[in-house]
Amino acid sequence: DQQVKQNSPSLSVQEGRISILNCDYTNSMFDYFLWYKKYPAEGPTFLISISSIKDKNEDGRFTVFLNKSAKHLSLHIVPSQPGDSAVYFCAASVTGDYKLSFGAGTTVTVRA
Amino acid sequence: DADVTQTPRNRITKTGKRIMLECSQTKGHDRMYWYRQDPGLGLQLIYYSFDVKDINKGEISDGYSVSRQAQAKFSLSLESAIPNQTALYFCATSDSGTSGSLSYNEQFFGPGTRLTVL
Repeated sequence: DQQVKQNSPSLSVQEGRISILNCDYTNSMFDYFLWYKKYPAEGPTFLISISSIKDKNEDGRFTVFLNKSAKHLSLHIVPSQPGDSAVYFCAASVTGDYKLSFGAGTTVTVRA
Repeated sequence: DADVTQTPRNRITKTGKRIMLECSQTKGHDRMYWYRQDPGLGLQLIYYSFDVKDINKGEISDGYSVSRQAQAKFSLSLESAIPNQTALYFCATSDSGTSGSLSYNEQFFGPGTRLTVL
């Protein structure tokens, strides 16, 4: 049973607009969350993370929001750029466990 | 040079063959992981190793075995490949971390091996 779910397999957005990717989790023990970005023929690369002690973390155009009560997090990309076209994976972990549970991924396409 | 390398990058084999996928890292990390990616399922953990003498099964270890030959090398074997093991395989590493730091949750991935079992 998947503990991390990304219910939108794909997202298409116009260049310059906001991309919002969503992720839900079921395990209340998760306390650290990460987003990875993956281009074709490459491995996933770390994008941004957030600890459960925060509800927001920002890094340039990327912001992750965490709603612990809803067991939901989202990744905002503003403004979206063509180079952002990739698959985005949400991942979660429990402090001290070191393993990551991944969602199925969301494919983002940024249209010019 | 890539920090995490995987060989081969692509492999086509036949049902029943033994296959070994290799992973090497120059990051000096203690922890290494093997994942497979299937369409619609994301990345699933096959095996992980926290040091040379510590090997653990992940979510989907059946049909796979691993060997941690050194801190920098972690190999995945399919003893008798079957078609439903056709997938993209990723190796990853992570640091053992320091007290108070959560960055040890971050894993660094290799470029992947595309395996096709006919």
